[in-house]
Amino acid sequence: GENVEQHPSTLSVQEGDSAVIKCTYSDSASNYFPWYKQELGKRPQLIIDIRSNVGEKKDQRIAVTLNKTAKHFSLHITETQPEDSAVYFCAALTGRDDKIIFGKGTRLHILP
Amino acid sequence: GAVVSQHPSWVICKSGTSVKIECRSLDFQATTMFWYRQFPKQSLMLMATSNEGSKATYEQGVEKDKFLINHASLTLSTLTVTSAHPEDSSFYICSAANTGTLLNIQYFGAGTRLSVL
Repeated sequence: GENVEQHPSTLSVQEGDSAVIKCTYSDSASNYFPWYKQELGKRPQLIIDIRSNVGEKKDQRIAVTLNKTAKHFSLHITETQPEDSAVYFCAALTGRDDKIIFGKGTRLHILP
Repeated sequence: GAVVSQHPSWVICKSGTSVKIECRSLDFQATTMFWYRQFPKQSLMLMATSNEGSKATYEQGVEKDKFLINHASLTLSTLTVTSAHPEDSSFYICSAANTGTLLNIQYFGAGTRLSVL
């Protein structure tokens, strides 16, 4: 079945540095890739998404890149701040039945 | 943004009882809603796709008789955990997309923490 792999599972970066989280997907028909941030005990919140007709999208300190040929996409957070500490999930919308399949998540720690 | 309301937020029940969880889209219509299960420090595992006016589509390994899903209207889906047992204790979370926009953006409910004694 469809699968989304996410790496790393844990990431610690110094405040102010950049963080990169990478995901690969298996369904070549996937055309929508959202990223969610989940703070402890709260619901996942959409932070950025990208569709297959573009290769990069940026929103202030957050950017996402997509390589359809290699079937991978990445989240980039620049100038990290303490409030960026959370679990981040990548996801892919399957092409066949419009299901959102999530990666296993990355726990991001921003060190003071 | 769009709001998805999930109720209750926390329920404690005795083993063998059934628990119903509601998921409502408050300001949009959702032909399809999704139910996920999340274990501590783990990802969201899709349990089933709830389809308005028709039967839910369950993921492999999910017991449809155990987790009953009803999607009676365009704004409400319910998940009933029947004859709950301690191993059913988990965080259940629903999501919905605004059918009218066709943007596929999923909005999540706040989740329901189920504890079965």
